Amino acid sequence: AQTVTQSQPEMSVQEAETVTLSCTYDTSESDYYLFWYKQPPSRQMILVIRQEAYKQQNATENRFSVNFQKAAKSFSLKISDSQLGDAAMYFCAYRTYNNNDMRFGAGTRLTVKP
Amino acid sequence: EPEVTQTPSHQVTQMGQEVILRCVPISNHLYFYWYRQILGQKVEFLVSFYNNEISEKSEIFDDQFSVERPDGSNFTLKIRSTKLEDSAMYFCASSEGSGGINGYTFGSGTRLTVV
Repeated sequence: AQTVTQSQPEMSVQEAETVTLSCTYDTSESDYYLFWYKQPPSRQMILVIRQEAYKQQNATENRFSVNFQKAAKSFSLKISDSQLGDAAMYFCAYRTYNNNDMRFGAGTRLTVKP
Repeated sequence: EPEVTQTPSHQVTQMGQEVILRCVPISNHLYFYWYRQILGQKVEFLVSFYNNEISEKSEIFDDQFSVERPDGSNFTLKIRSTKLEDSAMYFCASSEGSGGINGYTFGSGTRLTVV
């Protein structure tokens, strides 16, 4: 079974600083997709960034980037120049190539201090 | 930007009652999903739906749950006889295709409280 582990229940960062959220996953598949979702207090799930496992290049979306280490089954999210609006729960998620069942980690609550 | 719309945003129901949670997926999307999030816990997959039938479901999605696309725009989740442990945030999501790199577009969720 595929599982997603986020070992940091809570993280805190100073505004304008950089923070890295950890995610590891367990799978025997070789083709899959990884995602980071943001859930602000409004509770909506917002896609932040995504990565295809066959791509070695790390995905980047503006201030958000990932460090994808396939051999280590690690998919961390780096937020640069943190802003107050980045405060939210962040969920790491995994989906196999042809499966609709997206598996989520338990989430990391990020606090941004002004 | 296209949105997935869920109604109501909050529903309170008595234990044993039937509830229907409603969702309007993005119009050109073909795959629809329901997820739930018990307060403070992880988001869990319930069911996926394509071409008017269930394509996958989790062990959570037992006989008390059902889904339906009653018309061309709505996608509903029915809980036949609610239990206290059904209290959770229920998220509808849709995607243009199956699998693929595109993440799902989620709705804002319906908070279901069973009393």
